[in-house]
Amino acid sequence: GAGVSQSPSNKVTEKGKDVELRCDPISGHTALYWYRQRLGQGLEFLIYFQGNSAPDKSGLPSDRFSAERTGESVSTLTIQRTQQEDSAVYLCASSLVSGATGDTQYFGPGTRLTVL
Amino acid sequence: AQSVTQLDSHVSVSEGTPVLLRCNYSSSYSPSLFWYVQHPNKGLQLLLKYTSAATLVKGINGFEAEFKKSETSFHLTKPSAHMSDAAEYFCVVTDKTSYDKVIFGPGTSLSVIP
Repeated sequence: GAGVSQSPSNKVTEKGKDVELRCDPISGHTALYWYRQRLGQGLEFLIYFQGNSAPDKSGLPSDRFSAERTGESVSTLTIQRTQQEDSAVYLCASSLVSGATGDTQYFGPGTRLTVL
Repeated sequence: AQSVTQLDSHVSVSEGTPVLLRCNYSSSYSPSLFWYVQHPNKGLQLLLKYTSAATLVKGINGFEAEFKKSETSFHLTKPSAHMSDAAEYFCVVTDKTSYDKVIFGPGTSLSVIP
């Protein structure tokens, strides 16, 4: 595809509900990353996929957060029992190989999540 | 462990004057370093990257950065600021020898005064 796409662009949910965020990476990119950006703050690394395996999940803030990836394609980030502190912009990025080679990450437009 | 420090949370310059955004990093191994820019309500865009080739890296929109290993710095500069440069700038470090977390700095907000 032309770039990384994410859906939905905006999501408003009630506290306690589950949400699913979707990321479509650039075709052919094997590495995929999820980040969180709270209002007025920098990016917080959440998880990294190489293919469909996740060698680094250490950034996930709690066991309410999980992510999966189908092959070298779509990834979904799921947040269960959402809390107000989960409100943030969730950004997805993909790169050709992996961060270890210094490959450029290309970012999607993000999903703005608001938990009421 | 890797870390990134952006010394200024906010920088304000007059249009036409030089820009300096400071970044210092800590990395056990040979790092890759990046600068990304985020304009209001827009996605992150790569400005430039250093991956052990030339230490002076030129990027888009007239920006450049110099990798100084002795100072563990990767400061971003531009000779003459333009109004369109007003944005949030992030310094990023990754570890090239083995996959490690991609670490973003906290960001520096650049304001350009007409």
